Amino acid sequence: EDQVTQSPEALRLQEGESSSLNCSYTVSGLRGLFWYRQDPGKGPEFLFTLYSAGEEKEKERLKATLTKKESFLHITAPKPEDSATYLCAVQASGNEKLTFGTGTRLTIIP
Amino acid sequence: DAGITQSPRHKVTETGTPVTLRCHQTENHRYMYWYRQDPGHGLRLIHYSYGVKDTDKGEVSDGYSVSRSKTEDFLLTLESATSSQTSVYFCAQGQGYEQYFGPGTRLTVT
Repeated sequence: EDQVTQSPEALRLQEGESSSLNCSYTVSGLRGLFWYRQDPGKGPEFLFTLYSAGEEKEKERLKATLTKKESFLHITAPKPEDSATYLCAVQASGNEKLTFGTGTRLTIIP
Repeated sequence: DAGITQSPRHKVTETGTPVTLRCHQTENHRYMYWYRQDPGHGLRLIHYSYGVKDTDKGEVSDGYSVSRSKTEDFLLTLESATSSQTSVYFCAQGQGYEQYFGPGTRLTVT
């Protein structure tokens, strides 16, 4: 069974204080690993797809990396508007289902 | 919102009543999905569709049915709502391997 574990559950940072969010996964043949951002009361917003170990993607202050067992979402010099819950999901080859973690709730303090 | 709307956005209903949630897309994508989101569980797939009249079950399909008579509409029906179906329901559309989510419907079953 595919599994995704995200840590920490919650993270509070000062504005400008860089950090990383972790997504550990087990999957039978990875088709893709996905990062989403979710604001309160809204649907998940797509950020990145990573397909193979060693791949990296960047968007503004966010960079996602992938190994064979985990993915990291690095946030550099965050701003208060980066506060949200960040979700990680995996999709196995030949399977339409995304398996989601329970997310990391990130709060950036001005 | 990736060209997806959901209706209603909020609904309160009584145990034992039928409920239908609607998802509408404007971009003619083949794949559409219904997920539910609950604290401590993350997002879980209920049903998905890979074309008009083509649907399949997800991991939490018991008590739910779906229909897709047109490409743009994907309906989720709770035949007889139970309190355990109180949740936030998200529709998504697939573009390649990536899934893009709608704004959600908050359903409360009393």
